[in-house]
Amino acid sequence: TQLLEQSPQFLSIQEGENLTVYCNSSSVFSSLQWYRQEPGEGPVLLVTVVTGGEVKKLKRLTFQFGDARKDSSLHITAAQPGDTGLYLCAGVYNQGGKLIFGQGTELSVKP
Amino acid sequence: DAGVIQSPRHEVTEMGQEVTLRCKPISGHNSLFWYRQTMMRGLELLIYFNNNVPIDDSGMPEDRFSAKMPNASFSTLKIQPSEPRDSAVYFCASSPLTGAREKLFFGSGTQLSVL
Repeated sequence: TQLLEQSPQFLSIQEGENLTVYCNSSSVFSSLQWYRQEPGEGPVLLVTVVTGGEVKKLKRLTFQFGDARKDSSLHITAAQPGDTGLYLCAGVYNQGGKLIFGQGTELSVKP
Repeated sequence: DAGVIQSPRHEVTEMGQEVTLRCKPISGHNSLFWYRQTMMRGLELLIYFNNNVPIDDSGMPEDRFSAKMPNASFSTLKIQPSEPRDSAVYFCASSPLTGAREKLFFGSGTQLSVL
């Protein structure tokens, strides 16, 4: 069974703190995506990573794909209340395969 | 572009009634996906279409669920008869290229409550 596990499930921090969210699987991904979802809206794509070891930056967000392409992390520097939301990782396990979503990490950043 | 448009935004119905959810994908997108989101199970892929043709419906939970895409600009997800356990947020997403690995653009979802 292909299972995508995200941790932590919930995270509540103060504005200005740093945080890291993890996405893990026992299987190898052909590609992995990170989405952010706000209440009452659909997920919005943040980034796609394809190559093992790849690092991508989006302002204060840093995304890393594991060397073995089985895991990924999202690091947020100096979190702001606007970063509050549900962060979802989603992976494809083989070419042309389905996009499978993790359960998500619910992030709350308090001012 | 208006993005993926779903209707209705909210639907409250009684057990046993037929429910039809509607989706208008982004113009020019070749793939369309229906997802269901619940607290317990997260986002689950129900079915997806490439160029209006259903490719994978293995995520459709039961025969009570059916989806159609009569043309490139419209899709429906129907539940008949509906049950309380069908209560969830249903999302439609479209993608500019075929295949499930491409960037998905999600609609705002339909919040379904079956009483």
